[in-house]
Amino acid sequence: DAGITQSPRHKVTETGTPVTLRCHQTENHRYMYWYRQDPGHGLRLIHYSYGVKDTDKGEVSDGYSVSRSKTEDFLLTLESATSSQTSVYFCAISDPEQKSFFGQGTRLTVV
Amino acid sequence: EDQVTQSPEALRLQEGESSSLNCSYTVSGLRGLFWYRQDPGKGPEFLFTLYSAGEEKEKERLKATLTKKESFLHITAPKPEDSATYLCAVANQAGTALIFGKGTTLSVSS
Repeated sequence: DAGITQSPRHKVTETGTPVTLRCHQTENHRYMYWYRQDPGHGLRLIHYSYGVKDTDKGEVSDGYSVSRSKTEDFLLTLESATSSQTSVYFCAISDPEQKSFFGQGTRLTVV
Repeated sequence: EDQVTQSPEALRLQEGESSSLNCSYTVSGLRGLFWYRQDPGKGPEFLFTLYSAGEEKEKERLKATLTKKESFLHITAPKPEDSATYLCAVANQAGTALIFGKGTTLSVSS
């Protein structure tokens, strides 16, 4: 298995609170991604990173920010959580051939 | 706009009943087409990469093929343990992130 760890695995939070999800890799890959997965929508890209402190927006980036201060860590922050952000979040890394490997996911519920 | 469409959305098979899943794509310069398997509550697991039309890859009961417009995942004599959601994705010329289809959920009953 590719060395990707997401934390936490489950979280329940209240509307309006900030939330940070963490992704840690041991593969030293340059590219890291955050996706959300919702019924009827499939996997949608939120943000991605192509190096330390180098990030860019994906398809559904509104309400989310990211940071990457070390190669191995990629953080996703929901600045002020809303019910529409209830979802399953996946972190992924990709090798130079763009083969992506995924973490186990974080199930986030905003109440 | 780059796009991936998978069909059918859901497929129910009897054990041993072979079938195919379809992935149609439009992409600005295909750099690769990827198939993943996803079990409930888990992250997608890589199955195959195809790079050019005519290419085929096999793994156990699964065989993936690629044309200029679509890819097929053929499942031969499936077993209940093949039940999962199968995702198709493409990499375009920009090479930033994979673009995923919504998946086909396969259920195989004994």
